Amino acid sequence: QSALTQPASLSGSPGQSITISCTGTSSDVGGYNYVSWYQQHPGKAPKLMIYEVNNRPSGISNRFSGSKSGNTASLTISGLQAEDEADYYCSSYTSMSTWMFGGGTKLTVL
Amino acid sequence: QALLVQSGSELRKPGASVKVSCKASGYSFTYYGMNWMRQAPGQGLEWMGWINTNTGDPTYAQGFTGRFVFSLDKSVSTAYLQINSLTAEDTAVYYCAREGSGITAAARDWGQGTLVTVSS
Repeated sequence: QSALTQPASLSGSPGQSITISCTGTSSDVGGYNYVSWYQQHPGKAPKLMIYEVNNRPSGISNRFSGSKSGNTASLTISGLQAEDEADYYCSSYTSMSTWMFGGGTKLTVL
Repeated sequence: QALLVQSGSELRKPGASVKVSCKASGYSFTYYGMNWMRQAPGQGLEWMGWINTNTGDPTYAQGFTGRFVFSLDKSVSTAYLQINSLTAEDTAVYYCAREGSGITAAARDWGQGTLVTVSS
């Protein structure tokens, strides 16, 4: 199984909105509404930002939102802030009853 | 408030074994499975598999069969990851993580990570 496909890097200015894509197949992203997104700052454990495509855990800012169309899921961060600079990973449940992560996207806030 | 606390960094020689612990508190241990993830230096996350904390049944992802063993000690709410016949390619941070209430196929709570370094 190959990792889900994410852009390696993205950048945006404070206040802007950015969208990170996560492309899989009908056996993972497209087949289940179990796509999640994680934020990871250097040297820290990942933090769940979105689960089941578009749900935010308690305590996560509504500036973070998720969506899915076909085999591609997306994470949108609106009103970009300096603290949003981090690595972001998508993950999906798969037809093999496993989880699969994307390769990660490094977000830079200019 | 769920909390997962992992054991400290380990340094091992090639061919040796290592056992990483993940102690859970703040919730009913057997109610949620425990997942294990690996992150090699400068690389992304990999899902290694999970263990059913109620039955003890492990499920290993492709690439993590044979040398990797998930186990439990329910009496102390602790999950373990053992890696045998270590090679330099096993050098990584290993995380335990559990789903949360009402959350499916996503890790709500994570341990702080355990760095395993394999070097002669």
